[in-house]
Amino acid sequence: DSGVTQTPKHLITATGQRVTLRCSPRSGDLSVYWYQQSLDQGLQFLIQYYNGEERAKGNILERFSAQQFPDLHSELNLSSLELGDSALYFCASSVGASPKAETQYFGPGTRLLVL
Amino acid sequence: AQTVTQSQPEMSVQEAETVTLSCTYDTSESDYYLFWYKQPPSRQMILVIRQEAYKQQNATENRFSVNFQKAAKSFSLKISDSQLGDAAMYFCAYSQYTGTASKLTFGTGTRLQVTL
Repeated sequence: DSGVTQTPKHLITATGQRVTLRCSPRSGDLSVYWYQQSLDQGLQFLIQYYNGEERAKGNILERFSAQQFPDLHSELNLSSLELGDSALYFCASSVGASPKAETQYFGPGTRLLVL
Repeated sequence: AQTVTQSQPEMSVQEAETVTLSCTYDTSESDYYLFWYKQPPSRQMILVIRQEAYKQQNATENRFSVNFQKAAKSFSLKISDSQLGDAAMYFCAYSQYTGTASKLTFGTGTRLQVTL
């Protein structure tokens, strides 16, 4: 158990809908990262937050957004869902945003299926 | 942009034997981190080992060790005394720091089978 929690574990929804994925980082970690794992794209970085502020963006679609709240939990919002958004979405956390001693610990993931 | 290449889509090893998984990366940075993550059928991403680029010494964690060749930009994972529980997808990852943020860039993974 990494100490990172994600809810829900599974999500089935229809095209055009909107969903929210939730992540709680390890105790003491200030950085939260979101990754998408799909069959055709592999593991891709989406976005990073550090202590409530957005720090880095990867291949995140405009239909997707995220935020980190004062209690450090984070939410990833996916809207106008398409079939291709079906994937495993991981949240990871680390202590800070510096390169030294930065190890990201992953949650169990949320498996999203868009029908 | 940094890239990570794992050229072995699948590998197989017999129980108790040793196997080496390959990884190469491309970067112009001098200070960075490299990781191996394991993803078993449960799909959980589990950290196996970490290497700091400024350290000459290869990292070791129990049965897992790396061969880090900075000049060659190579970072292979050696698993000794393989066990059935080692069967999983293994991802090599590079940690890029951009001054205010860091992210992981992953390779495409190597699926490891462990046979009796």
